[in-house]
Amino acid sequence: KQEVTQIPAALSVPEGENLVLNCSFTDSAIYNLQWFRQDPGKGLTSLLLIQSSQREQTSGRLNASLDKSSGRSTLYIAASQPGDSATYLCAVTGDSSYKLIFGSGTRLLVRP
Amino acid sequence: DTEVTQTPKHLVMGMTNKKSLKCEQHMGHRAMYWYKQKAKKPPELMFVYSYEKLSINESVPSRFSPECPNSSLLNLHLHALQPEDSALYLCASSPIGGFGETQYFGPGTRLLVL
Repeated sequence: KQEVTQIPAALSVPEGENLVLNCSFTDSAIYNLQWFRQDPGKGLTSLLLIQSSQREQTSGRLNASLDKSSGRSTLYIAASQPGDSATYLCAVTGDSSYKLIFGSGTRLLVRP
Repeated sequence: DTEVTQTPKHLVMGMTNKKSLKCEQHMGHRAMYWYKQKAKKPPELMFVYSYEKLSINESVPSRFSPECPNSSLLNLHLHALQPEDSALYLCASSPIGGFGETQYFGPGTRLLVL
């Protein structure tokens, strides 16, 4: 059974810092991995999707990497801003299912 | 239009009430999803509709009844809920429901069962 873990559970950084969020999964047989952002009490916004054959994806200040063999992904946020404060969730799709398996998320606070 | 809308935003209901949650998208997507999210927990899949047909039911209790009247609309009918059903209910859509498609989420309906 696929399990997704995110570390740390919470992170507080001063504005301007570069930071890394971690995601690990137990079954390397994934189709892809997605990173989402969720603001308090709101829905999810898809940030980046990495196919299993890819190593990384970039969008603006965000860079996500995937090491499928070791079951790890990282989300790198450059020059963090207070507006980046949110919960970041990673989710994997198995290679024989279209069910998203989510991690518990990392709650990020960027202090002005 | 890349938006998934959900109504109502908030809902309070008693255990004997019947209510419905609505979800709508106009992106031409043919797959729609219901998720349940408890506080500080990740979303959990409840139902998947693909081409207006129920394709996945994650062993959800029958007090939750989904309906997909057309390709743009998804309902979740609620009846005789329990207080532990209080949660954020998220709707999502994707192009065809294929493996690993990006899912577009709505803002959710926050449900409180008294």
